[in-house]
Amino acid sequence: KAGVTQTPRYLIKTRGQQVTLSCSPISGHRSVSWYQQTPGQGLQFLFEYFSETQRNKGNFPGRFSGRQFSNSRSEMNVSTLELGDSALYLCASSLLTGDTQYFGPGTRLTVL
Amino acid sequence: SQQGEEDPQALSIQEGENATMNCSYKTSINNLQWYRQNSGRGLVHLILIRSNEREKHSGRLRVTLDTSKKSSSLLITASRAADTASYFCATEKGGGNKLTFGTGTQLKVEL
Repeated sequence: KAGVTQTPRYLIKTRGQQVTLSCSPISGHRSVSWYQQTPGQGLQFLFEYFSETQRNKGNFPGRFSGRQFSNSRSEMNVSTLELGDSALYLCASSLLTGDTQYFGPGTRLTVL
Repeated sequence: SQQGEEDPQALSIQEGENATMNCSYKTSINNLQWYRQNSGRGLVHLILIRSNEREKHSGRLRVTLDTSKKSSSLLITASRAADTASYFCATEKGGGNKLTFGTGTQLKVEL
């Protein structure tokens, strides 16, 4: 089975722009979660989608949003980018609730 | 916010030695998972241990969980240079697949 894939792998944007990141889960997995990793804050949970519904949400401003499609693929969007949004964004998928989460390689976002 | 701390923050050992990392957390959990990360890449899942389990093994890895002390440990036996990475514990409290990560331990295994 193919693993979790994320596109693009690297992205450079300027302040004020918006960005969309994509995640394709492992085939059959309906849960997709997103995490942000920065040197200062570590790994932080953004949100989780299950069967196209947002099931959990972390403590991030409304500029961070996401969605999930009927094929379980997920996108996250960050509007009005700030320098502090520079981070590695990781996506994970899971077959069941409370089960192992499998992570993708991440998207490295740099905001200039 | 992070669920807890990992100890030590950094660990340097010689190849062939054992490495032990500890993780403490703050609230009741459904399960605890250990991950490895190489140089800012994606996370690789190592072991999941559920709240009703006390110990699990996988190859050279041994994980223990003490829910009364809200702590877990990861033991890597006979370390190899390829084990050099950052190791994170993550807890899941139930109600979905939201993981709360620890601060991580940077392990360096020298030849």
